[in-house]
Amino acid sequence: SAVISQKPSRDICQRGTSLTIQCQVDSQVTMMFWYRQQPGQSLTLIATANQGSEATYESGFVIDKFPISRPNLTFSTLTVSNMSPEDSSIYLCSADYDRVGGYTFGSGTRLTVV
Amino acid sequence: DAKTTQPPSMDCAEGRAANLPCNHSTISGNEYVYWYRQIHSQGPQYIIHGLKNNETNEMASLIITEDRKSSTLILPHATLRDTAVYYCIVRVARGGKLIFGQGTELSVKP
Repeated sequence: SAVISQKPSRDICQRGTSLTIQCQVDSQVTMMFWYRQQPGQSLTLIATANQGSEATYESGFVIDKFPISRPNLTFSTLTVSNMSPEDSSIYLCSADYDRVGGYTFGSGTRLTVV
Repeated sequence: DAKTTQPPSMDCAEGRAANLPCNHSTISGNEYVYWYRQIHSQGPQYIIHGLKNNETNEMASLIITEDRKSSTLILPHATLRDTAVYYCIVRVARGGKLIFGQGTELSVKP
């Protein structure tokens, strides 16, 4: 089955700093996605990342706050910039392996901002 | 916004069938119904999907009404490990975004 690795699995960060989350997939995929899951809530899509083009952000999310890179077909990063306690969430990446079953998800990065 | 409506929570006795309903009255002709689940502290896991016919795999069965406005996910013999939040999502088969609603929190009890 498809494997998605996310790093770090968790982190505690100081407000005002930035954290970059890495997502590595085990085979080439066209589309990768980044989600946020706030405590006790459902998943909210942040952006879609396609290789070779700028990420497409959902309403309420902006590139300055959540810059995304997609340098090749197996890797993506999400940066959470100028963090505040409200950014404390689980961040998950997902990939469209273009097979039956839709998308595969990583295990997430649990971020706490203090 | 999510295009589905699910009850926020349900209970099920271990060994019994769990029937999780979902309403998707605005579903388009090219949209599939997908079900995922999220066990605590893990990423969502695909369960099953369908267009208009009923589907079954090793995990579950999916029953879609003839008008496609609602569906039911059936876990035939629920176990304690099936305790999770279950999400019903509609999307196109290829390239469509997964937009999550609030899901149903299923508690399987001994």
